[in-house]
Amino acid sequence: DVKVTQSSRYLVKRTGEKVFLECVQDMDHENMFWYRQDPGLGLRLIYFSYDVKMKEKGDIPEGYSVSREKKERFSLILESASTNQTSMYLCASSLDGTGTTEAFFGQGTRLTVV
Amino acid sequence: RKEVEQDPGPFNVPEGATVAFNCTYSNSASQSFFWYRQDCRKEPKLLMSVYSSGNEDGRFTAQLNRASQYISLLIRDSKLSDSATYLCVVNNRYGGSQGNLIFGKGTKLSVKP
Repeated sequence: DVKVTQSSRYLVKRTGEKVFLECVQDMDHENMFWYRQDPGLGLRLIYFSYDVKMKEKGDIPEGYSVSREKKERFSLILESASTNQTSMYLCASSLDGTGTTEAFFGQGTRLTVV
Repeated sequence: RKEVEQDPGPFNVPEGATVAFNCTYSNSASQSFFWYRQDCRKEPKLLMSVYSSGNEDGRFTAQLNRASQYISLLIRDSKLSDSATYLCVVNNRYGGSQGNLIFGKGTKLSVKP
């Protein structure tokens, strides 16, 4: 079974802190994604990466950056956390970069910025 | 127009009922279509892919109408365990072969005894 693991289930950070959310997948997938999920807004794509060191902006990249130094690891960085970034963050991976194959999700990180 | 639109529900149905969810998408170039299921406080998981000819998996039937850009999911003989949020998902192509998945906001189903 594919496993996508996010480093934390729950995080509480202060406004202005730099926050790292880590995601690791174990199935040699090409594509990795970061979404946030908010009530009434659904899942919104922040960034995705279709190869090592490659990244593409999603729908809401402002205030975020990403890093993919190794194929299995995709990190989401909040350079200076703000309260409007309080959300559920979901990492996903898929076999290839076409968007035609199943995406497997991690269990999510619930981030609270105070 | 939003890229993937769904009726948010909630749909409250008794056990054994048949329930149908609909979804429309705006990108006529989309080529892949899925239904995902998300249980409360859990991550989304693939329920089934949707093929042009329509496809069935047990009590679940998915249909695609490319001309109308419309996708449906039919659940027959609803079980309590079907209670979840159902997400309509469409692939979105960028330049070349790269693409990603666009999620609808989901339709919440609650099956009552």
